[in-house]
Amino acid sequence: KAGVTQTPRYLIKTRGQQVTLSCSPISGHRSVSWYQQTPGQGLQFLFEYFSETQRNKGNFPGRFSGRQFSNSRSEMNVSTLELGDSALYLCASSIAPGAAYEQYFGPGTRLTVT
Amino acid sequence: QQQVKQSPQSLIVQKGGISIINCAYENTAFDYFPWYQQFPGKGPALLIAIRPDVSEKKEGRFTISFNKSAKQFSLHIMDSQPGDSATYFCAASASNTGKLIFGQGTTLQVKP
Repeated sequence: KAGVTQTPRYLIKTRGQQVTLSCSPISGHRSVSWYQQTPGQGLQFLFEYFSETQRNKGNFPGRFSGRQFSNSRSEMNVSTLELGDSALYLCASSIAPGAAYEQYFGPGTRLTVT
Repeated sequence: QQQVKQSPQSLIVQKGGISIINCAYENTAFDYFPWYQQFPGKGPALLIAIRPDVSEKKEGRFTISFNKSAKQFSLHIMDSQPGDSATYFCAASASNTGKLIFGQGTTLQVKP
């Protein structure tokens, strides 16, 4: 069974631009969560989607948004990029939402903002 | 109340030794405690997880010990190998959400 896939793997953007990252969950998984990983802040929760609905959102500004499609694939968007948005963005999928179900991470998208 | 505190920040162990990483939490609503292993350039990989109805869970060389009253849990890696050299994260979540709260991570180096 294929794992979580994320595209692109690497991205370089300029301050002020916007970016869209994509995540395809493991087949049969319907819940997708996004995390930001930086050396200073560690792994921080961004949002969780299930059945095309956002169930939870972390403490990030409104510039960070996401959505989930009917096939469970998910995208996240960051508008008006700032230098501090440089990070590894990780997507995790699970069969369903909630702590009863294990989350499996993709390899991440490395975003560099210059 | 949302924090998970992890220690030590870094750990050096000789091959064959025992690696021990500790985590503490405050939110009593947390009821799922996974550990993830991350190699450079890779996403975190689920290693082992425990729920508070048991005090210990063992999978191969990896054991989680859980102390509900102290709100602490730890990962023990027995017979540590150089291939275990990675960053380890503890995490916690509550049953009504898939939101994982992660510790700051421990960089483990196992010397041959």
